[in-house]
Amino acid sequence: GIQVEQSPPDLILQEGANSTLRCNFSDSVNNLQWFHQNPWGQLINLFYIPSGTKQNGRLSATTVATERYSLLYISSSQTTDSGVYFCAVTMDSSYKLIFGSGTRLLVRP
Amino acid sequence: DTAVSQTPKYLVTQMGNDKSIKCEQNLGHDTMYWYKQDSKKFLKIMFSYNNKELIINETVPNRFSPKSPDKAHLNLHINSLELGDSAVYFCASSQDPLRVAYRGAQYFGPGTRLLVL
Repeated sequence: GIQVEQSPPDLILQEGANSTLRCNFSDSVNNLQWFHQNPWGQLINLFYIPSGTKQNGRLSATTVATERYSLLYISSSQTTDSGVYFCAVTMDSSYKLIFGSGTRLLVRP
Repeated sequence: DTAVSQTPKYLVTQMGNDKSIKCEQNLGHDTMYWYKQDSKKFLKIMFSYNNKELIINETVPNRFSPKSPDKAHLNLHINSLELGDSAVYFCASSQDPLRVAYRGAQYFGPGTRLLVL
């Protein structure tokens, strides 16, 4: 089956710093989503981005489907950005969302 | 006006008991899902229903039985609970990914934290 790998597994930032999270996938996909799981356990949709670039405030994401990777950029990080960031994909003709193992982000004040 | 809601949010129970988790979505979606998040935060699909029809049934013990009374609701019943069933269970919904011109995003509920003692 398709493999979804996220890097780095853990990241510690000082408030105000920028970061880039990466998601590699082993096969072609028709759906890619980025989620933030906050410290209270809620899974929050950040981006639906099977290809191209999107921006939402301090966050932006880019997916290069032909090269099988996606990047999530966090600029001017805040303590509320702490949590786990998941990348998840579905393959063609599939209902299954397959998750990576996540990047654990801690932003220190 | 919560999009995907689950009840209960927390569930603490004894081994051997039977329990149910309920999910409702008001997004008008055709497809609903159950995911399990283990203690290492790994998320994996368990079931999916499309228009009340079961379309995904991953290798889940038959103690777990999903039921979809209508497109807006998906429940999960668990018989004879075991210690290993302790996890967070998430419900999600989306438009039918095989029918829409674009593949829609999946939206997740707040999760049900199940602890089996």
